[in-house]
Amino acid sequence: SQQGEEDPQALSIQEGENATMNCSYKTSINNLQWYRQNSGRGLVHLILIRSNEREKHSGRLRVTLDTSKKSSSLLITASRAADTASYFCATGGSNYKLTFGKGTLLTVNP
Amino acid sequence: SAVISQKPSRDICQRGTSLTIQCQVDSQVTMMFWYRQQPGQSLTLIATANQGSEATYESGFVIDKFPISRPNLTFSTLTVSNMSPEDSSIYLCSVELTGGGETQYFGPGTRLLVL
Repeated sequence: SQQGEEDPQALSIQEGENATMNCSYKTSINNLQWYRQNSGRGLVHLILIRSNEREKHSGRLRVTLDTSKKSSSLLITASRAADTASYFCATGGSNYKLTFGKGTLLTVNP
Repeated sequence: SAVISQKPSRDICQRGTSLTIQCQVDSQVTMMFWYRQQPGQSLTLIATANQGSEATYESGFVIDKFPISRPNLTFSTLTVSNMSPEDSSIYLCSVELTGGGETQYFGPGTRLLVL
């Protein structure tokens, strides 16, 4: 069954604006990861945040994790048209598997 | 990191036939996975491909429908058997390098349409 739930399901913004996507999950985790998928192709790993971390940055990406609320957010700053993609959160637990959320479709308009 | 290729990249198949998808990794890895992504949906894990033993299937997936081979640490195949239009999906393989539920690296996917 799906662990993560992203919201919004779809987000449309103008180039240069910031985009925020949220992810909620249900069980305890070891880490939470964000992936990007362009046009139904393979997934690209963006960032991993461990359960004992609260915030992590990578370039224009900022991820937060609140384990008490079982939620995470992905912020993309100064968005570009090339950021148009689907974004998925995935939780890693005590086993080796990842459980993916339903995804957010981000459209960045030039 | 790891570089993963899949063949074929896409195919259109007739109902009742079978298709075998290949996944090749550029290095030896312990953990390989197969996922299905139905149209407009997220990824669902089909099975973990184990080298030298039978694959471990997730609930709702069975070996007769999705037989998997893993002859060595760099290669795996997934067969979609006796296909129906409901099998139309993107099939993705992935690898995980540490064995601890960390980052997975994905192949480009195989887009399957069953008529």
